[in-house]
Amino acid sequence: GDSVTQMEGPVTLSEEAFLTINCTYTATGYPSLFWYVQYPGEGLQLLLKATKADDKGSNKGFEATYRKETTSFHLEKGSVQVSDSAVYFCALEGTSYGKLTFGQGTILTVHP
Amino acid sequence: GAVVSQHPSWVICKSGTSVKIECRSLDFQATTMFWYRQFPKQSLMLMATSNEGSKATYEQGVEKDKFLINHASLTLSTLTVTSAHPEDSSFYICSARDVAGGPSDTQYFGPGTRLTVL
Repeated sequence: GDSVTQMEGPVTLSEEAFLTINCTYTATGYPSLFWYVQYPGEGLQLLLKATKADDKGSNKGFEATYRKETTSFHLEKGSVQVSDSAVYFCALEGTSYGKLTFGQGTILTVHP
Repeated sequence: GAVVSQHPSWVICKSGTSVKIECRSLDFQATTMFWYRQFPKQSLMLMATSNEGSKATYEQGVEKDKFLINHASLTLSTLTVTSAHPEDSSFYICSARDVAGGPSDTQYFGPGTRLTVL
């Protein structure tokens, strides 16, 4: 079946540091890929998405590129802020339309 | 943006009792709602898909008689954990997709409900 593997956290960075959170997936066909973010006390929010190979999703300074050859969708940001502290989830939508398979989440803490 | 609420945000109950969790779409109508379960330091696991006016579709390994789902209106779905036991303690999250349907980027998530069974 479908699966998503994220790098284990927690990740702790200083403000303005470069961020990478690795995500790899296993799926049949051509899944759509997503990054969700969950701030404390809030529901998951869609951060960015990519629906086909080589697509780059971007939002709020975050980027991720759909790499089919390496089955990866790594999340990056060039300069993180304290307000980026949250839990980040990588997810895919496979052949079952509307159903998401999530990675285990990565806790990011950014210090001033 | 679209908002989904859950009630209660946390609940503690005794073993053997039943607990109902509500999921509401506040500013849109949802024909489909999803219920997830999240264990500590683990990913969200889809439990069931709830369609308004019809029976829920449960994922493999989820006991439908234990986790009763009702989606009686376009803005409300409920999950009832029947005869709860300590192993049912978890974080339950719902999401809702609006009546326009569409891909997963039109799903909106609730903040979750923490269930602790003593």
